[in-house]
Amino acid sequence: DAGVIQSPRHEVTEMGQEVTLRCKPISGHNSLFWYRQTMMRGLELLIYFNNNVPIDDSGMPEDRFSAKMPNASFSTLKIQPSEPRDSAVYFCASSLGVAGLAGVEENIQYFGAGTRLSVL
Amino acid sequence: AQKVTQAQTEISVVEKEDVTLDCVYETRDTTYYLFWYKQPPSGELVFLIRRNSFDEQNEISGRYSWNFQKSTSSFNFTITASQVVDSAVYFCALSSPEISNFGNEKLTFGTGTRLTIIP
Repeated sequence: DAGVIQSPRHEVTEMGQEVTLRCKPISGHNSLFWYRQTMMRGLELLIYFNNNVPIDDSGMPEDRFSAKMPNASFSTLKIQPSEPRDSAVYFCASSLGVAGLAGVEENIQYFGAGTRLSVL
Repeated sequence: AQKVTQAQTEISVVEKEDVTLDCVYETRDTTYYLFWYKQPPSGELVFLIRRNSFDEQNEISGRYSWNFQKSTSSFNFTITASQVVDSAVYFCALSSPEISNFGNEKLTFGTGTRLTIIP
């Protein structure tokens, strides 16, 4: 089975440019998460969706960041305009979210390979 | 508030030695889940294990074993007979079920332990 697929794997851009990161979750999963990893702050949750609806975006750093999930198999994280401090590895994760007691494969977040973003 | 502490920033051991990675957590919830993820040099995050707060049985999977002790709020990870391929950053994480119908559980990660296995 295909895991979470992220593209691109690496992105180098100049300050001020728009950057779009893409994610395809595992088929059948109903929850999708965007994380950012930096040396200073570790892994931070930016936003998560359930059934394509944004549930909590309190981790989104500022208005320059936006995320969408137009359907169950695709999500984007956009930064406009990008700044050097946005340089980080961005991970997408998906899970099969169920309320109550989780079964063996439920409520486990599986991560993509990440997108390494460098803003010059 | 939830917190995960991995006090060991870096560990180096010689191949075939056993090594234990420590994880201490804080939560006020009575129901919660604990996780370990591996991040090899290639960068991806690989899920290793999840334990429920009401199941304190230790778990063994090949050379990997996990010791969950609620009394000390710890969920330690031991690698037996370490191999070079075990070199990675290991993250411990904690989540608690939200009061919602979604079942989505935010993960709180520790800062990770970088494990280096010396051939």
